[in-house]
Amino acid sequence: ETGVTQSPTHLIKTRGQQVTLRCSSQSGHNTVSWYQQALGQGPQFIFQYYREEENGRGNFPPRFSGLQFPNYSSELNVNALELDDSALYLCASSWDRGERGYTFGSGTRLTVV
Amino acid sequence: EDQVTQSPEALRLQEGESSSLNCSYTVSGLRGLFWYRQDPGKGPEFLFTLYSAGEEKEKERLKATLTKKESFLHITAPKPEDSATYLCAVQPTGTASKLTFGTGTRLQVTL
Repeated sequence: ETGVTQSPTHLIKTRGQQVTLRCSSQSGHNTVSWYQQALGQGPQFIFQYYREEENGRGNFPPRFSGLQFPNYSSELNVNALELDDSALYLCASSWDRGERGYTFGSGTRLTVV
Repeated sequence: EDQVTQSPEALRLQEGESSSLNCSYTVSGLRGLFWYRQDPGKGPEFLFTLYSAGEEKEKERLKATLTKKESFLHITAPKPEDSATYLCAVQPTGTASKLTFGTGTRLQVTL
């Protein structure tokens, strides 16, 4: 079975720009969560999608938005990038909103300059 | 609000020197407590899920235990390849089952 795949692996953007990050969930998983991990910190929950609907959101502004597609893959969009958005963005997939735990991808390293 | 505190922040062990990592948590209702291993620049790799106080799980040199307020990750006779950051996370009950992570313990095992 394939794991969670994220693209791109690295990205450099300029402040004010917009970015889209992509995630293919593990085969059989219908739930995708996104996390932001700053250097030296634990991952922080951004939001979760279950069967194409947003199912929970952390303390992130509306310029962080997402989508889940019928094949359960997902996108994270960030508008009006700020320097503090520089982080490792992690996608995690699971079965039924976290039953039996989450499988994480390797992440996208976003640098905002 | 759910909270996870891990200690120590960093730990340096010699090969074969056993130790324990601590994860203290507060959560309104616990669905599960997770331990992950994370190598630099990589995503967290799943180790264990614990669901109720008194539960224990083992995998190779690692053993995780759970009480109502904390969890321990015991590392027996560690090897250099066990060097990584170990993350603890709690998953609350309810439909929006996000994980709340601690900041991790950076473990370095030397020869």
